[in-house]
Amino acid sequence: GESVGLHLPTLSVQEGDNSIINCAYSNSASDYFIWYKQESGKGPQFIIDIRSNMDKRQGQRVTVLLNKTVKHLSLQIAATQPGDSAVYFCAERGVYNFNKFYFGSGTKLNVKP
Amino acid sequence: ETGVTQSPTHLIKTRGQQVTLRCSSQSGHNTVSWYQQALGQGPQFIFQYYREEENGRGNFPPRFSGLQFPNYSSELNVNALELDDSALYLCASSLVVVTGTGNTGELFFGEGSRLTVL
Repeated sequence: GESVGLHLPTLSVQEGDNSIINCAYSNSASDYFIWYKQESGKGPQFIIDIRSNMDKRQGQRVTVLLNKTVKHLSLQIAATQPGDSAVYFCAERGVYNFNKFYFGSGTKLNVKP
Repeated sequence: ETGVTQSPTHLIKTRGQQVTLRCSSQSGHNTVSWYQQALGQGPQFIFQYYREEENGRGNFPPRFSGLQFPNYSSELNVNALELDDSALYLCASSLVVVTGTGNTGELFFGEGSRLTVL
């Protein structure tokens, strides 16, 4: 089945710097991906999504890049703020089961003031 | 706030007991998915309910079961609790629109129910 992995479990950045969180996925046929933010004691919160017919999508202060050649996703956060401190997950929609999303184990982002 | 509410927020059970967790989906949504999130891990898909029927299941044993009601709210039931069932149980609602490319629909998560099995 699909599996989603992350390169770094913890990322520490200085306030104001840009953050890049990476994610690898295993199924080259996957066509839809979502990034979620989870703050302590809360449920995951949607940040941004991207379909496989795109290689880049921008939101407010966030950009998701999709490299289908190497099956890699990244989330870029511009001008990182203390409120961005959380665990970030990428989720891949199932190819054989469109109802199912596969989540990676997450990257914890620490923003230092 | 996502408009998805879960209850109870925390509960403690002992091994062998049964538990029911509840979820009210966001207004206008027709689908509820349940995920289990162990400490330090990403959420793992348990199953999804669409139009009151199970519509996809992850790698969980039959003692994990669910219901969806006409108002689209849902329950997750776990029988014969085991220590490894200790986790955060997340409910996510979505509006699923079946298209030619498959189901679409962003997941809106509740805050979860933290289950501890002793």
